[in-house]
Amino acid sequence: DTAVSQTPKYLVTQMGNDKSIKCEQNLGHDTMYWYKQDSKKFLKIMFSYNNKELIINETVPNRFSPKSPDKAHLNLHINSLELGDSAVYFCASSQDGTSIVETQYFGPGTRLLVL
Amino acid sequence: DQQVKQNSPSLSVQEGRISILNCDYTNSMFDYFLWYKKYPAEGPTFLISISSIKDKNEDGRFTVFLNKSAKHLSLHIVPSQPGDSAVYFCAASDPSGTYKYIFGTGTRLKVLA
Repeated sequence: DTAVSQTPKYLVTQMGNDKSIKCEQNLGHDTMYWYKQDSKKFLKIMFSYNNKELIINETVPNRFSPKSPDKAHLNLHINSLELGDSAVYFCASSQDGTSIVETQYFGPGTRLLVL
Repeated sequence: DQQVKQNSPSLSVQEGRISILNCDYTNSMFDYFLWYKKYPAEGPTFLISISSIKDKNEDGRFTVFLNKSAKHLSLHIVPSQPGDSAVYFCAASDPSGTYKYIFGTGTRLKVLA
């Protein structure tokens, strides 16, 4: 049973399109995250949600909009895709996001290529 | 303003020898650190962590050392095995209240059989 799953695994699309990446966790965790790993391999937090509420919103363009229909799901919608959005996007979850010693569990990543 | 740095992008070690992966940080407020391991086409998986109240934490073949005065931590793997070949990320947990992770850029370890 996959703990944190993401779909799709690969996404190739044209500039200007709108796309969504879905994430689901079956760990019963309250907090979910989106990270972006760019071409330089920097793995940076984008958003986090605790029990469907936005907790962290780093300096991310408005074209990125996370949506959490329930605490087991955190989807990422990207409008008007740009070349610079090409990256690997990782979803993660943790127990409740309120403790410094929590472990985050990562999904396998979604490789997005914008042409 | 990279707060967590892994200055060695890659490291090759002979099987059975010790692998030492290094990580430096700039923010003296960081007090919890983690190492994650990542295989190709997979997400990072948690390996080991250390709190700033300790200077060493051991789990089987993996030991993390923390030198707070030098703002430096290292991961020792002994003995190294071919299955340890992966990218290793150092991370610090942001103490400002969000508990987000701040990652280094990773070190690719190759263990040669």
